[in-house]
Amino acid sequence: EVQLLESGGGLVQPGGSLRLSCAASGFTFNSFAVGWVRQAPGKGLEWVSTISYSAESTSYADSVKGRFTISRDNSKNTLFLQMNSLRAEDTATYYCAKHPYSTGGWFDPWGQGTLVTVSS
Amino acid sequence: EIVLTQSPATLSLSPGERATLSCRASQSISSYLAWYQQKPGQAPRLLIYDASNRATGIPARFIGSGSGTDFTLTISSLEPEDFAVYYCQQRSSWPITFGQGTRLEIK
Repeated sequence: EVQLLESGGGLVQPGGSLRLSCAASGFTFNSFAVGWVRQAPGKGLEWVSTISYSAESTSYADSVKGRFTISRDNSKNTLFLQMNSLRAEDTATYYCAKHPYSTGGWFDPWGQGTLVTVSS
Repeated sequence: EIVLTQSPATLSLSPGERATLSCRASQSISSYLAWYQQKPGQAPRLLIYDASNRATGIPARFIGSGSGTDFTLTISSLEPEDFAVYYCQQRSSWPITFGQGTRLEIK
């Protein structure tokens, strides 16, 4: 069974940093792209970033470009999201999700999410 | 950026009725559209990919159709567990975008 388990969320002050992790299991992690999608409280889904199977290619939403960095450790089946210069509008539940292809596609499955709250 | 517009924002129906949800793209996305279901407190679940392909384990009452700019998710006969929020998502070009969602509520 494919499983994704996020961790690393919490409360952080504006301007601060946080690193999210997503532990993957049940599939050949180094063969698929993976990504992050967030959801602000009571709001819709917003794609954040995707990284290709080999980490050769990364893509970001304009809202996080230059502040967030996606990376992966294929030896540990783990996806990361380094979030710097955090703003109140970054407050959301962050989901990691698997793509069906090596470079992208739809999202299936999703992790259970980790909540990031940016507040003083 | 491709904008996806979902309608209606809220749909009120009764179990057993047919639900029709719409997703319109701001430019052609071929068939590169997915649909997700999200229940309160849960992560989204993939229902349909590439416009009309049901994901593994998704019941046959969920039917996706459309191509180009106009897409439809039809639930042929609503079950109590189908009342949730539904999102569409395009993968035709970066950035990946989602529609704003349609809330399907019990009438």
